[in-house]
Amino acid sequence: DTEVTQTPKHLVMGMTNKKSLKCEQHMGHRAMYWYKQKAKKPPELMFVYSYEKLSINESVPSRFSPECPNSSLLNLHLHALQPEDSALYLCASSQVGGRVGSAGNTIYFGEGSWLTVV
Amino acid sequence: AQSVTQLDSQVPVFEEAPVELRCNYSSSVSVYLFWYVQYPNQGLQLLLKYLSGSTLVKGINGFEAEFNKSQTSFHLRKPSVHISDTAEYFCAVSALNTGNQFYFGTGTSLTVIP
Repeated sequence: DTEVTQTPKHLVMGMTNKKSLKCEQHMGHRAMYWYKQKAKKPPELMFVYSYEKLSINESVPSRFSPECPNSSLLNLHLHALQPEDSALYLCASSQVGGRVGSAGNTIYFGEGSWLTVV
Repeated sequence: AQSVTQLDSQVPVFEEAPVELRCNYSSSVSVYLFWYVQYPNQGLQLLLKYLSGSTLVKGINGFEAEFNKSQTSFHLRKPSVHISDTAEYFCAVSALNTGNQFYFGTGTSLTVIP
């Protein structure tokens, strides 16, 4: 069983809607990640938070807005999405990450949130 | 820059037969290597990892992998597969000089045939 929990598991939203994806981990990890995954493709990194600060943004469009309220929680706010944004969104965490010297830390993934934009 | 190549996009294999999923990487610095499995409609689960030490690494579900620095490979093997091993398998590298950024291969879809 994964120790990274994501809600909701499925989300259908219109292009004018505002919604959020939520993620929680209780492993004491200080790095949290958002990945986007299309069918039969590898995960693509979107954002990395290190010690609750955004450390990596992989040139993600502003219609995706991450938030890290505390060391256990990570949100992804969604607004004015496009149909091509439909995908599996994976949250993940590692003991440390997002800064040089943290390589080699296992990244633990949640089950994902399936997003469909109509 | 780092890159990972998984040459086999699909591997069909009969139940109880052995399997090898190939992974090659390219990097100018030392790397850490990982294999993840993704079952249908689920997230990624760590199978095994190589950080240092013995080049033969044993993981969960009877899988093992061997790190070969001269051939820049980290192939995944299992001596006898089960139906339940049907899944997508991703190889990933994390380079020493990065912030734990993982570079994933394109994945290998393993189908175990009864």
